Order: sequence, then C-alpha cells, then structure tokens
Amino acid sequence: DGGITQSPKYLFRKEGQNVTLSCEQNLNHDAMYWYRQDPGQGLRLIYYSQIVNDFQKGDIAEGYSVSREKKESFPLTVTSAQKNPTAFYLCASSPLAESYNEQFFGPGTRLTVL
Amino acid sequence: GDSVTQMEGPVTLSEEAFLTINCTYTATGYPSLFWYVQYPGEGLQLLLKATKADDKGSNKGFEATYRKETTSFHLEKGSVQVSDSAVYFCALRAGGTSYGKLTFGQGTILTVHP
Repeated sequence: DGGITQSPKYLFRKEGQNVTLSCEQNLNHDAMYWYRQDPGQGLRLIYYSQIVNDFQKGDIAEGYSVSREKKESFPLTVTSAQKNPTAFYLCASSPLAESYNEQFFGPGTRLTVL
Repeated sequence: GDSVTQMEGPVTLSEEAFLTINCTYTATGYPSLFWYVQYPGEGLQLLLKATKADDKGSNKGFEATYRKETTSFHLEKGSVQVSDSAVYFCALRAGGTSYGKLTFGQGTILTVHP
C-alpha cells in the first residue's frame, strides 16, 4: 500500500540532545513538508522540499534542520537550539506544489523533552 | 499574509444532530480550500476539498461550498454519528510563490454523544 510512514511514534529527548525524526513516502511525490502541531493550535510549517537536494525554511525553522538526499525520504532533526521542542510532528507530501493538490499526511511523531 | 479562522470550539452534539463548523479565510489570489480530520493520536486525513469558487466538496455526508464573496468554507453534516468525534481543520493552499504550503485554522474539537 502506498503511503507515508513516520518513525518513531513516540520519542523522548533529554536537554541538549539532537534527535532525528524519520519520514518516508512511497507515493512518488515530489514535494514534502514538515509541520509542528501544538495543543489547541493549527499546524505550522517548519521546512519544505520540492525536489531532491533542495529544501526551504518554513515559518518556524529555527532550531530544526532537514535533508533531502532521496525523493522518498525527508528526515527532520530537532537540535538543542530548539527551545521548546515538545510537540506532535507531522510529515506530509504532495505530487506537485500546486494549490489544487491535497497533501497526504503521515501518522506523526510525538516528541517529549525530559 | 494568508490566514484561516475557524469557529471556537469545542462543539458537543447528540447523535443525529446537524453540524456546522464555520471557516473563513484571507488570501491573495485564488486558493484551494480543504477540510482535514484528525482522530486521536493520528495524522490528518483529507475530508473534502474545493479548488475554485462555487465548488462544493463532499465526502461521507460532509459538505462545504467555496464562497468567494463571503470568503467562507463552512463544513456541514446533516446527521452526525459518534464516530465523527474528532478534530476538524480548515485549511487553504495558495499557489504561486507560497510553495504550496497549507495554512491551517486552529482546529475545532467535535464530540458526539449517543
């Protein structure tokens, strides 16, 4: 079945650690996105990529980094510079970054800072 | 910039009641509009979409009409079920230089009681 997978489902981080969240898709989509969700709020865009080896900052990129070495994969690293990383992280993809295309979402990773 | 405003929640209804969740937006150009649903601990699923003015999106008994004159995309369902309990997000996606990101409302929690 085609879809988006994220791992792990739950992740715990100690202060000062970097952690990497995995996102893989087998939908052959060009565009991929990372969003952050906080309680009672909508989703906010962290980073996006429209093509392999290219990515751009979204609205809240500070303290995060990404890579896009393969079309199928778009991992997100939460660095120690992110002061409030506890949140639900969602990865998404779409065929093209055109407005009429919906985005498909993965199941999410819940990150908690201990 | 682009923005989406949803009605304040949470919304609590009895089974078979009529549902309306209001959504209004601000955007330049001609965005596409979406309703996504999120069940507890999961990612977002597309519920319905509309890509141009006067389009009606529908799915699983839910409907929403793209009203350009009132910049609205209200979600309706004639008879809700307990299984409809979830968080509902209104979102817009603009083309052009916005790189296809989704702009979300804050979400509306719906609880349906038997």
